[in-house]
Amino acid sequence: AQRVTQPEKLLSVFKGAPVELKCNYSYSGSPELFWYVQYSRQRLQLLLRHISRESIKGFTADLNKGETSFHLKKPFAQEEDSAMYYCALSRPGNQFYFGTGTSLTVIP
Amino acid sequence: DVKVTQSSRYLVKRTGEKVFLECVQDMDHENMFWYRQDPGLGLRLIYFSYDVKMKEKGDIPEGYSVSREKKERFSLILESASTNQTSMYLCASSSVVLAGNEQYFGPGTRLTVT
Repeated sequence: AQRVTQPEKLLSVFKGAPVELKCNYSYSGSPELFWYVQYSRQRLQLLLRHISRESIKGFTADLNKGETSFHLKKPFAQEEDSAMYYCALSRPGNQFYFGTGTSLTVIP
Repeated sequence: DVKVTQSSRYLVKRTGEKVFLECVQDMDHENMFWYRQDPGLGLRLIYFSYDVKMKEKGDIPEGYSVSREKKERFSLILESASTNQTSMYLCASSSVVLAGNEQYFGPGTRLTVT
């Protein structure tokens, strides 16, 4: 069963434009949701998690339980935001499920 | 500074060989994971371990086994490597108590099976 869906494999936006990376999940309980990012030639790292409700590098993500979504947003994209982004869900027992990833390219 | 290390960045093996991928973390995390990362498929969990000598199958355990004899070390074993196991392998660790369940990743091992 697909637990985390990222519908866009590739996303290109111009510098300064808003960006939204979509993530939908399927889980009946109360999930813990994350966004991870992998910059070129770097290891995968946590960007943000929903329980923290914080903004990292200008990115925010709101958990919408009604729509089972956790979309990642940034009002003004920067070139350094170009990376691979993964949405992930953690359930009790500490097992993680990752989406298929969205490759974001910010065009100068 | 937290650290997850993997024994090799690049590995080339022949079909049928037994392959060992090693992962070490220095954060005293209880949980350790092995994923493979393939374009268009994202990260797929192979196995995870929540304690020494404990293991659980992930989504794609076929053709793999794991070993966790010490808390800091988690090994992935390909008993008889096949070409469809050519991939990037990522190790991760986490701790609900120490790290709020955040996963920390190693740099990855790119395995090519010829």
